[in-house]
Formats: sequence, C-alpha cells, structure tokens
Amino acid sequence: QSVLTQPPSASGTPGQRVTISCSGGSSNIGSNSVYWYQQLPGTAPKLLIYRSDQRPSGVPDRFSGSKSGSSASLAISGLRSEDGADYYCAAWDDSLSGVVFGGGTKLTVL
Amino acid sequence: QVQLVQSGAEVKKPGASVKVSCKASGYTFTSYGISWVRQAPGQGLEWMGWISVYNGKTYYAQRFQGRVTMTTDTSTSTAYMELRSLRSDDTAVYYCARGAGGDCLDWGQGTLVTVSS
Repeated sequence: QSVLTQPPSASGTPGQRVTISCSGGSSNIGSNSVYWYQQLPGTAPKLLIYRSDQRPSGVPDRFSGSKSGSSASLAISGLRSEDGADYYCAAWDDSLSGVVFGGGTKLTVL
Repeated sequence: QVQLVQSGAEVKKPGASVKVSCKASGYTFTSYGISWVRQAPGQGLEWMGWISVYNGKTYYAQRFQGRVTMTTDTSTSTAYMELRSLRSDDTAVYYCARGAGGDCLDWGQGTLVTVSS
C-alpha cells in the first residue's frame, strides 16, 4: 500500500492529452515538492518533473506538472507512442522522514 | 556527461549480506547526495535512503533502519549500499541515483540482487 495514490493505469490515443493524478496528504504533497519519473520497460527511471512543476533540461514541454493542496498531476499533451511507460510520483514525507513513491501508473498509447 | 555505473548482479542466500557499488563520473562527487531506490520484480519503486557525500550523513527509510548501511569513498567517487540479513523479498533491482529527497536526475543502470536458497 503506497503512501501516495496513483491510478494503476491510464490510456490515450496519439495526439491526445492525458493526465495522471497523485494523491497524498499534508505531510508529503501538502508541504513538499512533488517529483515525477518515467520508467520505460527494463530501464532506470528518468526524472520528468522536479519541484512540482519544473522540467529538467531535455524533457519536452509536452510534459507538465502541477500541484494543488495534497494532490498533484502530470499532464502529457500531444501523446506519442514512445510515451507508453510507467509513471511514478514521489515526495518527501515529514512524518516518515523519508521519500514516498506512488504505486505507479502504466500509460498505454492506443 | 554524468554517469553512474553499478556493480554486477548478485545471487545471495537468505541471511547473507550484499554490497552494491555505484561509481560516479562527470560531476563533482562531493556536491550531490547519492540516493538508493529498489524495485522488486513487477513492483513499484521503493526509496531506501540517501547519503550526503559532502559530510557522510545518512538518512534511511524506517523499514531498512538497522539493516542497511550507505557509505561513500570520495577518493574513487564510489558509493556503496550494504544490505544485511537478506530475505527472499529483498530480491529486487537496486538503483543508485544522484540527488536527494526525491530529486534524482541521474540514475545508475541498476543491480539485480536475487535472494534464494
């Protein structure tokens, strides 16, 4: 049971916009930054979003992050076949004094 | 470019220990922390902890307290993660990553640790 809650799956067709939600609480998302990772099969995770809404250099602007209260979202616009992957949210948790991850969302591009 | 190269796959018996290495290059090693994250087969990501390379201070996830030790060797720009008293549910891919607190920009390739009798 993950501290951060994500839908297990999401899907969309090429060109569509999809959003993935991440729900937490006051001790994690509510008071700390959110990070989003993309993991392609058999590879290490890749940082997509840091500090809730910032993109590292090289990450396309099709990916965007937002946070409101104790929830966060990752939006992917202009969906492409190569976006099919697992997506994880993460945040520091003040009560646990550690990083907590969401359970992951498997995105399928139909 | 930043690279984190991890040691190879390991097979251990229950009760044994494993020590995974992570050699960093392409940046000033002491300027960033090193985090460790694991992923059991078919499962999600699990944060194990991180170490400040600058001062050696460690921050472990509660569930690994007493069983894990993270260290660094600044002379070789290498980080280590040792996990003791291995159980079958410790079978996972173990990743090192540059950064701390969830903010990990660069990752190693992962090290598969299999615990089996």
